[in-house]
Amino acid sequence: ETGVTQTPRHLVMGMTNKKSLKCEQHLGHNAMYWYKQSAKKPLELMFVYNFKEQTENNSVPSRFSPECPNSSHLFLHLHTLQPEDSALYLCASSPGTSGVVADTQYFGPGTRLTVL
Amino acid sequence: RKEVEQDPGPFNVPEGATVAFNCTYSNSASQSFFWYRQDCRKEPKLLMSVYSSGNEDGRFTAQLNRASQYISLLIRDSKLSDSATYLCVVNLWGQNFVFGPGTRLSVLP
Repeated sequence: ETGVTQTPRHLVMGMTNKKSLKCEQHLGHNAMYWYKQSAKKPLELMFVYNFKEQTENNSVPSRFSPECPNSSHLFLHLHTLQPEDSALYLCASSPGTSGVVADTQYFGPGTRLTVL
Repeated sequence: RKEVEQDPGPFNVPEGATVAFNCTYSNSASQSFFWYRQDCRKEPKLLMSVYSSGNEDGRFTAQLNRASQYISLLIRDSKLSDSATYLCVVNLWGQNFVFGPGTRLSVLP
């Protein structure tokens, strides 16, 4: 399945590095999401973009910076991360709706990030 | 109270067994509900949406009880390939999703 792709799949970085995660969806969706999944914890929603506008930012530290240039691409820019930021970072997309009709999400394979 | 709660398990069942997972949610205004499965070190994959009238997809049956704010997933005739973590997901509106911590299932030969 290649509906939602993420690169890189694995990333090791030092605390002073700057790196970016990329997500691309081929489903014609309008909403995209970043989630963090740490060991033994539920998925944590980080950011939501709906029709390229950021609609959610769940108190994420500023060392994580999202960018959504169009409805097919989503980036997560990383700088001066901490070891506790090591986790699986998942991108998802959904058709995107306005109003109260609920959406359905589809996930990419994730980027496994290790911060040394 | 956590927004979405699940029994973490693990549930260890023999092949062919029937197993049921429960999920409770705290926000009575929640609009839609889903079950996802997540294999080890993989992404969550949509298993099924949960409709008010209950719905079935092969060996899987999902039920919703809005009055009790409770969702269930029943798996009949368990297969080895059903071993995974099952995530309960609640949507309040639009793109506002909350994931439960997941219930781990191991189907044993």
